[in-house]
Amino acid sequence: EADIYQTPRYLVIGTGKKITLECSQTMGHDKMYWYQQDPGMELHLIHYSYGVNSTEKGDLSSESTVSRIRTEHFPLTLESARPSHTSQYLCASRGGQYGNTIYFGEGSWLTVV
Amino acid sequence: GNSVTQMEGPVTLSEEAFLTINCTYTATGYPSLFWYVQYPGEGLQLLLKATKADDKGSNKGFEATYRKETTSFHLEKGSVQVSDSAVYFCALSGDFGNEKLTFGTGTRLTIIP
Repeated sequence: EADIYQTPRYLVIGTGKKITLECSQTMGHDKMYWYQQDPGMELHLIHYSYGVNSTEKGDLSSESTVSRIRTEHFPLTLESARPSHTSQYLCASRGGQYGNTIYFGEGSWLTVV
Repeated sequence: GNSVTQMEGPVTLSEEAFLTINCTYTATGYPSLFWYVQYPGEGLQLLLKATKADDKGSNKGFEATYRKETTSFHLEKGSVQVSDSAVYFCALSGDFGNEKLTFGTGTRLTIIP
């Protein structure tokens, strides 16, 4: 059972609002990731972190930003939400050893109206 | 860069049928290979994994063998059940220094009674 949590699970907000999607894990994992999943199911890496104060952009360009001030916490922020940001966002984490499993949270469904 | 090519869906089978979902990959070095499953409205769960050539991952009646010579990791199950209906993702993780998880496009599987 993975101990990785995302909040909120579902969110509907208006255009222009600032939102933060929370992600926390209690496994002490150093590596954390954010994926965006489009309606066609495809998953795209948008941000990752290999430890505290380390963040990198992923393969898909995103207007969101992330921070990693604590090992267990990896929030994602949209300063000004737009309808094009409507998607599911999946947070994941992984322990330090090569080949270790990447564990996913249950996802945050964001709808911007 | 790393990439995963997965059999396109959707796939519809009758209960107790044999399942194969094809997955091939392109990667440098010695990647780890994974199959994840996503049930409706949920995040991704690890189904099985293999970390080196000729390893066989297995779980819940599903199997996949890491074939380096054909760069493949096909998912198989001998007798599917209605409860296996979900979206299946093949994924790879690079070796040291390149440990992001790269996903295939996903295959939606529906099992009919």
